[in-house]
Amino acid sequence: QKEVEQDPGPLSVPEGAIVSLNCTYSNSAFQYFMWYRQYSRKGPELLMYTYSSGNKEDGRFTAQVDKSSKYISLFIRDSQPSDSATYLCAMSGLDAGNNRKLIWGLGTSLAVNP
Amino acid sequence: DGGITQSPKYLFRKEGQNVTLSCEQNLNHDAMYWYRQDPGQGLRLIYYSQIVNDFQKGDIAEGYSVSREKKESFPLTVTSAQKNPTAFYLCASSFRDKSDRQHFGDGTRLSIL
Repeated sequence: QKEVEQDPGPLSVPEGAIVSLNCTYSNSAFQYFMWYRQYSRKGPELLMYTYSSGNKEDGRFTAQVDKSSKYISLFIRDSQPSDSATYLCAMSGLDAGNNRKLIWGLGTSLAVNP
Repeated sequence: DGGITQSPKYLFRKEGQNVTLSCEQNLNHDAMYWYRQDPGQGLRLIYYSQIVNDFQKGDIAEGYSVSREKKESFPLTVTSAQKNPTAFYLCASSFRDKSDRQHFGDGTRLSIL
């Protein structure tokens, strides 16, 4: 079982829809949770960052962490064609050598159609 | 503006040749990272460095080498020992804190001639 599971999609929605992107994880020691957005042929950019459980809102984006279920979500309201990208979840944890590292999901490809 | 600069954007390698990818940051970050991204495989860590003159192997270090002589620079060499080097290479940097919030450059796409 991978430490982080993320459905690769692709996900296709009409403009204006609410989008829900999700990741599950197995390591209960993760404390920091991030969402990155990656446009084609570009590097990932940090979109949302949360610590421990709870919600965080930034404009049209809401990040949600449920540590009891080991489940994180990113919601996009009023989705726009410019939101079309790959969304990657990442979590901060310790590897087998007790070194801190980011554990990445595979990314979900999202297309928002005008 | 602060950021991470990767060069070149596209690179072609001949068989048996070593090539070096450049990564420079002016964010005053202590830690720097190299990832490889292949379709369907996500981001895989090649090497990382938490401090100048020190670096550690990541999950797929074989066939790669790095140096960290300056805080701002973390070049990656893809050696001839790397038999499948065609990929998108991403450099990142971060402060040395528990969150590991990494900031990325725009990548170098390496192809084999």
